[in-house]
Amino acid sequence: GDSVTQMEGPVTLSEEAFLTINCTYTATGYPSLFWYVQYPGEGLQLLLKATKADDKGSNKGFEATYRKETTSFHLEKGSVQVSDSAVYFCALRSGGGADGLTFGKGTHLIIQP
Amino acid sequence: GAVVSQHPSWVICKSGTSVKIECRSLDFQATTMFWYRQFPKQSLMLMATSNEGSKATYEQGVEKDKFLINHASLTLSTLTVTSAHPEDSSFYICSAGPQTGSWNEQYFGPGTRLTVT
Repeated sequence: GDSVTQMEGPVTLSEEAFLTINCTYTATGYPSLFWYVQYPGEGLQLLLKATKADDKGSNKGFEATYRKETTSFHLEKGSVQVSDSAVYFCALRSGGGADGLTFGKGTHLIIQP
Repeated sequence: GAVVSQHPSWVICKSGTSVKIECRSLDFQATTMFWYRQFPKQSLMLMATSNEGSKATYEQGVEKDKFLINHASLTLSTLTVTSAHPEDSSFYICSAGPQTGSWNEQYFGPGTRLTVT
């Protein structure tokens, strides 16, 4: 079945550091890929998405590129801020809009001033 | 933006009792809602797909007689955990997507923490 593997946390960085959170996946066909973010006490929010190979999703300074050859969708940000502290989930959907998502375990990111 | 609410946000119940969790889409209609379960330090696991006006579709390994899902309107789905046991203690999260458009983006509720004593 489908699965998503992302790096374990917590990941602790200093403000303005470069961020990479690795995500790889296993799926049949051509899934859509997502990054969700969960701030303390809030629900998951879609951060960015990519629906086909070589697509780059971007939002709020975060980027991720759909790499079919390496089955990866790594999340990157050039300069993190304290406000980026949250839990980040990589996810995929194999089917259409009416299908549920398969999630990774989540990576807790802590940014220190 | 689209908002999904859940009620209650947390609940404690005794073993053997039933608990109902509500999931509402506040500013859009959703023919499909999803229920997930999250254990500590684990990923969200899809439990079932809730379809308005029809039976829910359960993922393999999820007991449909234990986790009753009702999607009676386009803005409300309920999950009832029947005869709850301590192993049912978990964080339950729902999501929903607007009807319109060919690509349904899912919006997540804040989750419900269930503790069974």
